[in-house]
Amino acid sequence: GDSVTQMEGPVTLSEEAFLTINCTYTATGYPSLFWYVQYPGEGLQLLLKATKADDKGSNKGFEATYRKETTSFHLEKGSVQVSDSAVYFCALSDKGGATNKLIFGTGTLLAVQP
Amino acid sequence: DVKVTQSSRYLVKRTGEKVFLECVQDMDHENMFWYRQDPGLGLRLIYFSYDVKMKEKGDIPEGYSVSREKKERFSLILESASTNQTSMYLCASSFTRTARHEQYFGPGTRLTVT
Repeated sequence: GDSVTQMEGPVTLSEEAFLTINCTYTATGYPSLFWYVQYPGEGLQLLLKATKADDKGSNKGFEATYRKETTSFHLEKGSVQVSDSAVYFCALSDKGGATNKLIFGTGTLLAVQP
Repeated sequence: DVKVTQSSRYLVKRTGEKVFLECVQDMDHENMFWYRQDPGLGLRLIYFSYDVKMKEKGDIPEGYSVSREKKERFSLILESASTNQTSMYLCASSFTRTARHEQYFGPGTRLTVT
């Protein structure tokens, strides 16, 4: 079945460091890909998404490019802030979007130190 | 703004009790979902519903049931709570019958069963 693998955390960075969180997927068809973020004590919120190959999703300085050839959707940010400390989840639309389900990775905790 | 609300942020129940978790969305979404979130396991889908009175099992439905009598409300029921159901429960909703569009999450209910 479809699945998402993302790097284990925690990832600990100093403020203004470059961030990469790796995400790879196995999927049927052509799924949409998502990054969600969960700040402490809150639910998940959509950070960015991409719906087809070579699309780049971006929001709040974060970017991720849908790479079909490597089945990846790595999250990057050029300069992290303390306020970016959160858990980040990679997800894909199950069966290429033929169902209404999302498949989530296990999440990566990011801790940014001042 | 889409708003998904959950009836409680924190709940403490005793083993064997019947537990109701309520979720309400205000954007006329067709789909609603219940997940549980556990460290190292990410989000796991318990049940989802794509229409009033319709429900489908997710990946871990055992020990749970759901009810959707109105479009805006989706209830998760623990028939007889057990300690292994101690977890964070997240409700989500989405607009269409495919997962190409994002899901919107509530703030979560942290349930402790003693």
